[in-house]
Amino acid sequence: DGGITQSPKYLFRKEGQNVTLSCEQNLNHDAMYWYRQDPGQGLRLIYYSQIVNDFQKGDIAEGYSVSREKKESFPLTVTSAQKNPTAFYLCASSPLGTGAPPQHFGDGTRLSIL
Amino acid sequence: GQNIDQPTEMTATEGAIVQINCTYQTSGFNGLFWYQQHAGEAPTFLSYNVLDGLEEKGRFSSFLSRSKGYSYLLLKELQMKDSASYLCAVLDSNYQLIWGAGTKLIIKP
Repeated sequence: DGGITQSPKYLFRKEGQNVTLSCEQNLNHDAMYWYRQDPGQGLRLIYYSQIVNDFQKGDIAEGYSVSREKKESFPLTVTSAQKNPTAFYLCASSPLGTGAPPQHFGDGTRLSIL
Repeated sequence: GQNIDQPTEMTATEGAIVQINCTYQTSGFNGLFWYQQHAGEAPTFLSYNVLDGLEEKGRFSSFLSRSKGYSYLLLKELQMKDSASYLCAVLDSNYQLIWGAGTKLIIKP
């Protein structure tokens, strides 16, 4: 079945450490997104990409980096510059050029500080 | 700025009907989405409105009034499994989704 796979499900980061969250989709979607969700809050956009080798900053990009070398993959790196990384991270994808399709989400990665 | 408002929490009884409201102020409008999110899980798509009126899908219906910047999600014949957060999101003029903080719905027997 087609879908979005995020890994790992749980991740712990030490102070000063960079960590990378994986997101892979086999839906053949052009657009991919990374969101951060804090308890009791909505989703906030970190980065998005509409085409391979191109990506745009969202509302809270500081302390994060991404790459889009393949259509299927959109990994997110949480750098040591992100001082408050503890959150639930969601990856999503959607096709382009078909009006306003819904975004499909992965199961999320919960990141905590050790 | 862009803003989406939803009640933080609502409580309803199993078998009853509940209406969750969403008001929005965004730069442009290209549609409004409702998602369901169970605790610790990813959001799942429920409904999409781009024209005024009511969209019905089984026990769930969603209404939109663009002139009022207002939508609601109506859940009928509530079941315990409907306990979740319900997120309202608007697609703005740049085709970016702007998300509300979500409404936590608690269903009591």
